[in-house]
Amino acid sequence: DAKTTQPNSMESNEEEPVHLPCNHSTISGTDYIHWYRQLPSQGPEYVIHGLTSNVNNRMASLAIAEDRKSSTLILHRATLRDAAVYYCILRAGNTGKLIFGQGTTLQVKP
Amino acid sequence: GAGVSQSPRYKVAKRGQDVALRCDPISGHVSLFWYQQALGQGPEFLTYFQNEAQLDKSGLPSDRFFAERPEGSVSTLKIQRTQQEDSAVYLCASSIGAAYSNQPQHFGDGTRLSIL
Repeated sequence: DAKTTQPNSMESNEEEPVHLPCNHSTISGTDYIHWYRQLPSQGPEYVIHGLTSNVNNRMASLAIAEDRKSSTLILHRATLRDAAVYYCILRAGNTGKLIFGQGTTLQVKP
Repeated sequence: GAGVSQSPRYKVAKRGQDVALRCDPISGHVSLFWYQQALGQGPEFLTYFQNEAQLDKSGLPSDRFFAERPEGSVSTLKIQRTQQEDSAVYLCASSIGAAYSNQPQHFGDGTRLSIL
């Protein structure tokens, strides 16, 4: 299974944009890049996913490097409710399972 | 709401006892997944089903762990002869599409299992 590397923790100020990086240098051509987040005492929550092109939805944007060896999750205006652990996951096209790493713990300061 | 429901939310058992954890997926969801999350760690895959078929059980840590989904809806994860290292949060997720699709997985809030 291809691995991802994320910073252990990041801080942001409320109402400012947040860029969460993820490195995945061993990504294969059929791996999708998924992001989930987990708030305290809750199960993970799907955020966004993509293959090659940048993606936007109501929660966030996903910017994927041209060589696909890295990606960035962008929260446009952080709120206190965005404080969570964010997981960057490579999901192979021939499997249903998600392989979670340690994730990035995001703190949002008022 | 109509999310994934897991019961019980908390379970305390003595070492050696058998436990059963229940997952009610979102209605109509074809795929169902089980994960184990130790304290301070990310979730780890255990097994998944597409309808009633168990397609991958490679993550089950030992033969004491058994999962079933007999009618393609509700699923039960059973742990026999529990050990202290089984203490964790057990998460269930469901997905509307086939297991191999890239449809999002919707997670329940988990069952926190403590083995004394």
